[in-house]
Amino acid sequence: NAGVTQTPKFRVLKTGQSMTLLCAQDMNHEYMYWYRQDPGMGLRLIHYSVGEGTTAKGEVPDGYNVSRLKKQNFLLGLESAAPSQTSVYFCASSPRGQGYAEAFFGQGTRLTVV
Amino acid sequence: SQKIEQNSEALNIQEGKTATLTCNYTNYSPAYLQWYRQDPGRGPVFLLLIRENEKEKRKERLKVTFDTTLKQSLFHITASQPADSATYLCALDPDNYGQNFVFGPGTRLSVLP
Repeated sequence: NAGVTQTPKFRVLKTGQSMTLLCAQDMNHEYMYWYRQDPGMGLRLIHYSVGEGTTAKGEVPDGYNVSRLKKQNFLLGLESAAPSQTSVYFCASSPRGQGYAEAFFGQGTRLTVV
Repeated sequence: SQKIEQNSEALNIQEGKTATLTCNYTNYSPAYLQWYRQDPGRGPVFLLLIRENEKEKRKERLKVTFDTTLKQSLFHITASQPADSATYLCALDPDNYGQNFVFGPGTRLSVLP
């Protein structure tokens, strides 16, 4: 039982390049989330999904797109990477909304945009 | 503006003492609040959830209080151990829809032997 798995763990991008971060969960959770974590700023919600085929914007959605075509997968895309997107990205899932149930986090993806 | 603050960026305590971490919030009225632990290079791990009608919640050596009048949650670790050293994050439901959480910046706790 792997829980929440993020791919890749590390990545260096050049400004303007695109990439997709993959999050997979094997717990049959309905809710999935993408956060970014920057020093001194805590975790900030980028996008989230309350079920297969749904997505919603979080606190800092600009420059990112997401898709939830399958219940177990939540993809985060950067169409044209910028140095301001250098961060550690965390995916999380929960069986219900985070207000009612704990969230399970992946191990993170460290992204550097140069 | 809406804000979540955690008492200090870093807190050092002696092994065996009780660590008390503070989470204060402004311009939110959360019905739920959660605490997470995060170790370096790892994702956060859920510790406790407390609801507004629960003044206190305990789990082993952990205790959380939630005072909606003071707009504050306190997180206590009794008989602290060096293994408790980590960053602790509080999180609250910003709109009470139960769909997502807003996190505080975290407090880095170091328990010294």
